[in-house]
Amino acid sequence: DVVLTQTPSILSATIGQSVSISCRSSQSLLDSDGNTYLYWFLQRPGQSPQRLIYLVSNLGSGVPNRFSGSGSGTDFTLKISGVEAEDLGVYYCMQATHAPLTFGSGTKLEIK
Amino acid sequence: QVTLKESGPGILQPSQTLSLTCSFSGFSLSTSGICVSWIRQPSGKGLEWLATICWEDSKGYNPSLKNRLTISKDTSNNQAFLKITSVDTADTAIYYCARILWVYYFDYWGQGVMVTVSS
Repeated sequence: DVVLTQTPSILSATIGQSVSISCRSSQSLLDSDGNTYLYWFLQRPGQSPQRLIYLVSNLGSGVPNRFSGSGSGTDFTLKISGVEAEDLGVYYCMQATHAPLTFGSGTKLEIK
Repeated sequence: QVTLKESGPGILQPSQTLSLTCSFSGFSLSTSGICVSWIRQPSGKGLEWLATICWEDSKGYNPSLKNRLTISKDTSNNQAFLKITSVDTADTAIYYCARILWVYYFDYWGQGVMVTVSS
């Protein structure tokens, strides 16, 4: 199975601070169809996960543009440019290039 | 408006079979490109993909659960189902269903249903 390693596991930020989360894959996530099936989700406390980013860098519908995704191959990054209070929760990366689909272990964002 | 809602038994005993239902609206599992997946999350832990079923009836399973999973659908009633046989306490979790539309994975999720396995 593809292992997704997220760092850091816990992130503490002040309102307005910019932060980044890394997701490194044990295998390249570039598919033979040319797509890279790497996604980012946020799970707020007590809620279902919500998708933020699809195919590495595409912003989901209704997602604020302070969120951005980048990367290729095995290294990917989620950046929040100006953290807001509503951004607290656990962030997960997910890959769907290789079966079985796998998630990273999560990064908990705390607001100072 | 797309919605999904999971339902299940709440609590069951070890060795029993867990049956889950995902009832959805705003899309059809007969539409090209549409799939529904099941994902679970033990309390305080991460997300684990379990299974996916698609419009043309293709299915995928997480091999870590070996042959315990069966996914199915009722297109007419807009429902997807998951059965897990021989449950034990490790299957205690919140179970989610989520939609896939072509390459746009998990754009909509249900609220989740808590399942407890206990004797």
